[in-house]
Amino acid sequence: SQQGEEDPQALSIQEGENATMNCSYKTSINNLQWYRQNSGRGLVHLILIRSNEREKHSGRLRVTLDTSKKSSSLLITASRAADTASYFCATANYGSARQLTFGSGTQLTVLP
Amino acid sequence: DTGVSQDPRHKITKRGQNVTFRCDPISEHNRLYWYRQTLGQGPEFLTYFQNEAQLEKSRLLSDRFSAERPKGSFSTLEIQRTEQGDSAMYLCASSSQAGSYEQYFGPGTRLTVT
Repeated sequence: SQQGEEDPQALSIQEGENATMNCSYKTSINNLQWYRQNSGRGLVHLILIRSNEREKHSGRLRVTLDTSKKSSSLLITASRAADTASYFCATANYGSARQLTFGSGTQLTVLP
Repeated sequence: DTGVSQDPRHKITKRGQNVTFRCDPISEHNRLYWYRQTLGQGPEFLTYFQNEAQLEKSRLLSDRFSAERPKGSFSTLEIQRTEQGDSAMYLCASSSQAGSYEQYFGPGTRLTVT
């Protein structure tokens, strides 16, 4: 079963704009990760945030985590057409930190 | 340095046939995972190996599914008596031991059961 839900399910923006995707989950977590998947391909790890962290940056990516609300957001700044992909959040629970539970994803389209 | 590789990339089979997929992880990674992904959904965890030991199995992994990692390197996933509901992308991932939780995914094997 899917642990989390991403919101929105689909997002279409112009190149140069920022894209924000949200993820909600249900159980206590050890860490939360974001992955990107281009159509028909495998997943690429983007960023990991631990349960005791509130914000993390990596290049044009910014991730926040609110454990009290069981939610996370991924912000992609200055988007590019190459950012077009599906984005998934994945949670790792305490006691089973190696098993990732994925949400259903946000399909991001960046228009040139 | 090569990434995670999977073979075959595509498999079409008739219902009732057996299929086997192979995954070669990144060479220094001792952890290996199998996931299944259906269209429009995120991947669902199937099973996880640390070296040759199968440590976790999902309830999704019915009796028709079996996974092995005999020498702690490559892994195989076999599906016996395939059903149309088995049609999906089967993804393999690996990770290293040293406290890192990031997983590195292969390109997947797309299975179509007709």
